[in-house]
Amino acid sequence: GAVVSQHPSWVICKSGTSVKIECRSLDFQATTMFWYRQFPKQSLMLMATSNEGSKATYEQGVEKDKFLINHASLTLSTLTVTSAHPEDSSFYICSARGAILSGNSYEQYFGPGTRLTVT
Amino acid sequence: GQNIDQPTEMTATEGAIVQINCTYQTSGFNGLFWYQQHAGEAPTFLSYNVLDGLEEKGRFSSFLSRSKGYSYLLLKELQMKDSASYLCAVRGFSGGYNKLIFGAGTRLAVHP
Repeated sequence: GAVVSQHPSWVICKSGTSVKIECRSLDFQATTMFWYRQFPKQSLMLMATSNEGSKATYEQGVEKDKFLINHASLTLSTLTVTSAHPEDSSFYICSARGAILSGNSYEQYFGPGTRLTVT
Repeated sequence: GQNIDQPTEMTATEGAIVQINCTYQTSGFNGLFWYQQHAGEAPTFLSYNVLDGLEEKGRFSSFLSRSKGYSYLLLKELQMKDSASYLCAVRGFSGGYNKLIFGAGTRLAVHP
């Protein structure tokens, strides 16, 4: 099956610094990538959707200047948390969708997640 | 608006059957997914329904009624390793994209 990787798997940073998280589709071309955030014991909240080569579309309430998303190629998307604060500590999960048919739909594949802790 | 409801927690006994319900109201509908998520890990795909009816895959089955905005995930012959969160997600169309929107998840605890 399709594999999506994320790097790093966990990161600890100081308040005010920026952190970049990479999401790669390893064996397929991801035309669309999604970034989710998950707080403890809560579900995944969609932050933004990006198509390769175009600007990301952010969900309501998500600051686009704080969470910078770049989808420069069909296999790589990055999320940069700028000027991170403790309240940004969360589990960030990317998901990729490409031209792979599963059943009757294009399946969405999830990366293993990145746990960010801001001190 | 988008609204997906599922119970917060459920408990069941090893070897038993459990049904996790999900109701939804979304902008457009292009399929309903069930995912399993263990603590600290990413979700893993369990099932997909886009037409009404039952889809069976081993110990897991998923049902969809589009007219009622309702789905359930049925887990048979429960095992301890089935203790996890089960996420109902609906693919709807919003803002120019097909988006997968998740419910809050149901934490299932399987006891001996």
